[in-house]
Amino acid sequence: DTEVTQTPKHLVMGMTNKKSLKCEQHMGHRAMYWYKQKAKKPPELMFVYSYEKLSINESVPSRFSPECPNSSLLNLHLHALQPEDSALYLCASSQDSQGRRYEQYFGPGTRLTVT
Amino acid sequence: GNSVTQMEGPVTLSEEAFLTINCTYTATGYPSLFWYVQYPGEGLQLLLKATKADDKGSNKGFEATYRKETTSFHLEKGSVQVSDSAVYFCALSQAGTALIFGKGTTLSVSS
Repeated sequence: DTEVTQTPKHLVMGMTNKKSLKCEQHMGHRAMYWYKQKAKKPPELMFVYSYEKLSINESVPSRFSPECPNSSLLNLHLHALQPEDSALYLCASSQDSQGRRYEQYFGPGTRLTVT
Repeated sequence: GNSVTQMEGPVTLSEEAFLTINCTYTATGYPSLFWYVQYPGEGLQLLLKATKADDKGSNKGFEATYRKETTSFHLEKGSVQVSDSAVYFCALSQAGTALIFGKGTTLSVSS
């Protein structure tokens, strides 16, 4: 059983749509992450929320924008996506905020298809 | 910079065979080391971890020992099952920075 939940499980969207991916963790963690994973590749870090600060992988295009409403929720807003953005989007969390513990716990992912 | 190198797959084994998946790392200082497993269509699950030299992580029959002198964290299991078929990722984290993953090794176990 995972304590990191993600919705939706699958999403198909057109290039002109706006949609959001949602992630919630129930472990009291203070750091949360978004990763993008293409088939047969390792996950690539997109964003980190830690110490209430956002860190961005500078290679991530602006059509992806994260939002952290509180320490247990992390959203990823999508707009004007391209077909190459089709991938599995994974959310993860870890202890941090001086609680350290660097292992990350992942959700089941959202399978995104851009048409 | 920090990096992780793991053996290329796929690894194909018969049930009850011995498994080794090699992993070596490059890092300054003392990173934490992890093995994650990803079953088809799912997210990553933390399989085991080690946070300092000579630590042995273990879970579900899998083991890995943090070897500082060889900068290695090889994954082993004495007797694999069909249900162990998955992709295995070696990863490191240093001082709370993001995980750095190896490329992943696909394991296929047949009965």
